[in-house]
Parts: sequence; C-alpha cells; structure tokens
Amino acid sequence: DVVMTQSPLSLPVTLGQPASISCRSSQSLVYSDGNTYLNWFQQRPGQSPRRLIYKVSNRDSGVPDRFSGSGSGTDFTLKISRVEAEDVGVYYCMQGTHWPWTFGQGTKVEIK
Amino acid sequence: EVQLVQSGAEVKKPGESLKISCKGSGYSFTSYWIGWVRQMPGKGLEWMGIIYPGDSDTRYSPSFQGQVTISADKSISTAYLQWSSLKASDTAMYYCARLRVVDTAMIDAFDIWGQGTMVTVSS
Repeated sequence: DVVMTQSPLSLPVTLGQPASISCRSSQSLVYSDGNTYLNWFQQRPGQSPRRLIYKVSNRDSGVPDRFSGSGSGTDFTLKISRVEAEDVGVYYCMQGTHWPWTFGQGTKVEIK
Repeated sequence: EVQLVQSGAEVKKPGESLKISCKGSGYSFTSYWIGWVRQMPGKGLEWMGIIYPGDSDTRYSPSFQGQVTISADKSISTAYLQWSSLKASDTAMYYCARLRVVDTAMIDAFDIWGQGTMVTVSS
C-alpha cells in the first residue's frame, strides 16, 4: 500500500501567521491519465471532514483563498497564508491514485 | 442541496448485528459512488469500501474485506454498511461520502460527506 506521511503531526500557529503541512507518498501519485489524485481534507472539532483541495492544487467551492495546495510526484504541501481561528482542526492528505487509497495520519492545527 | 444524511447513533452489544444507512439527495444517486470511512475515537480516517448504486459494484479496502458488508438500494437512494457480529473494536464514528471512480483511481474524492453515525459496542 502507498504510505502517506504527514509532517508535522501537531502545528501550533499564531493567528494571522502562515502555516504549512507536508505530505509525502511512498510512490509517485501520477496516474496513467496524467493526473495526480492528491486531496486535502479539513476536519474541525466535532464535525465531518470537508474536502479543501483536489488534484493537488484545485480549491473546492467555498474554500477561502488563503488555502493553497502544491507539489508533484511524491511531495505535496498545504499552505494557509494567514491562519484564522476557524482553521483549527485536523488536516488529512489522501491519495486516490493507487489502490487501496490511503490517508495520511493527520496534522492537528491549533492556535498558540 | 446535495447532501448525504446518515442514520442515528447506535449502542450495541458484542456479537449483535447492525446495519447503518446513508441517504443521498439533491443529485443523481446512481451516477456517483458512495464510500464508507471509519474514525475510531481520537484517531484518523480510514477508508473502508465503496459501492456504485447504479449496478451495486462493490469494492473493499483489504483491511476491511470480510469484516463488513456494503450494499445499496437505488430505489430509495440509500447505501448501507452492516456487521453480522460486532466487536468492541468496531466502536467508532462512521462516515459516508460521495466519490467518482475510473478504473482504480478516485478521480473525484469524497466531495460530499454525511454527518456521521456513532456506533458504540459495549457489554
């Protein structure tokens, strides 16, 4: 199975400051159709997960533009340009390229 | 509004059977796959399996193959997750989510989620 490794696992951030989460895969996530099926999800406390980013860098409708995704191959990053209080929660990367699909362990973002 | 609405919380004893549901609305239920995701208390997300309600094509994550059964009734736009004999280790929140699949790739991953069903298994 493809292993998705996130870092850090815990990320204390000051309000208004940037935050960055890394996600590395044990194999390239480029599919045979040329697309890279790497997604990012946010799970706020007590809520269902919500998809933020799909195919590495595409923001879902309604997702603030302070969230951005980047990367290629095996190395991916989710960035929050200026953290707001509502961004507290756990963030997961997930690959949909290789069967069986796999999630990262999650990164907990909290306010300092 | 596109939504997935799950059945309510369950409290069961070890060895009992259980079937929880996920009802889709606001979109063509037979045009998307439905997946099930487990979240054990305080832990991360684990993908369990998927079903295509259009033809009931079902695929399981190897970790969950043989442990649960996924089914769907397209006439009522509802997918199900069931256990024949629950264990204490099945205690978790279970989410359903919508996705699109081509071959073995999840081309549109979990864009809509249900609110979750908490399953507690305790003697």
